[in-house]
Amino acid sequence: DTAVSQTPKYLVTQMGNDKSIKCEQNLGHDTMYWYKQDSKKFLKIMFSYNNKELIINETVPNRFSPKSPDKAHLNLHINSLELGDSAVYFCASSPVGSSYNEQFFGPGTRLTVL
Amino acid sequence: GQQLNQSPQSMFIQEGEDVSMNCTSSSIFNTWLWYKQDPGEGPVLLIALYKAGELTSNGRLTAQFGITRKDSFLNISASIPSDVGIYFCATQGAQKLVFGQGTRLTINP
Repeated sequence: DTAVSQTPKYLVTQMGNDKSIKCEQNLGHDTMYWYKQDSKKFLKIMFSYNNKELIINETVPNRFSPKSPDKAHLNLHINSLELGDSAVYFCASSPVGSSYNEQFFGPGTRLTVL
Repeated sequence: GQQLNQSPQSMFIQEGEDVSMNCTSSSIFNTWLWYKQDPGEGPVLLIALYKAGELTSNGRLTAQFGITRKDSFLNISASIPSDVGIYFCATQGAQKLVFGQGTRLTINP
């Protein structure tokens, strides 16, 4: 029944490590997104993909690399983790023709960098 | 870039009270959205507004698209404990959504 799922839910790691967060949606949507929510709960888009093609890259450091193997999956790989990367990362998806409005969010991955 | 100013930033109310929050911008938009984020979860779309002056309800929630197209309001009537969470306004940027800073609602039983 899960619409947008993310793994892992929690990720605790040391500075300098490389980690990945996976996202899958079973809604048949064509567009997927990654958002970062900081400690003040501000929600900001990082990337969006439409049918496996990168549409938006919001001046995110090169250490962040999204990968979309198919339109149901959008993974986020982060190299050389820094303290400032600690946040909650949300994956989302939206159907074609929705004008990006009706976005369905996953439960989030809380990343803590020590 | 686009900026949405959401107020209040937080609210502490008694169960049963009505709630009002709003979102303003210096820019004109064609869409206003309201999302709710429960603790530990991702945001969920509550109401979408597509026309200036539009008033739309979803149960105890009512949202309005301001006539000037620069603002929107969300009201919750007769609040209950499960209304706790963060409410975000959002609008449509260039191929993306832009979110307000959120209004955190806390309810005292």
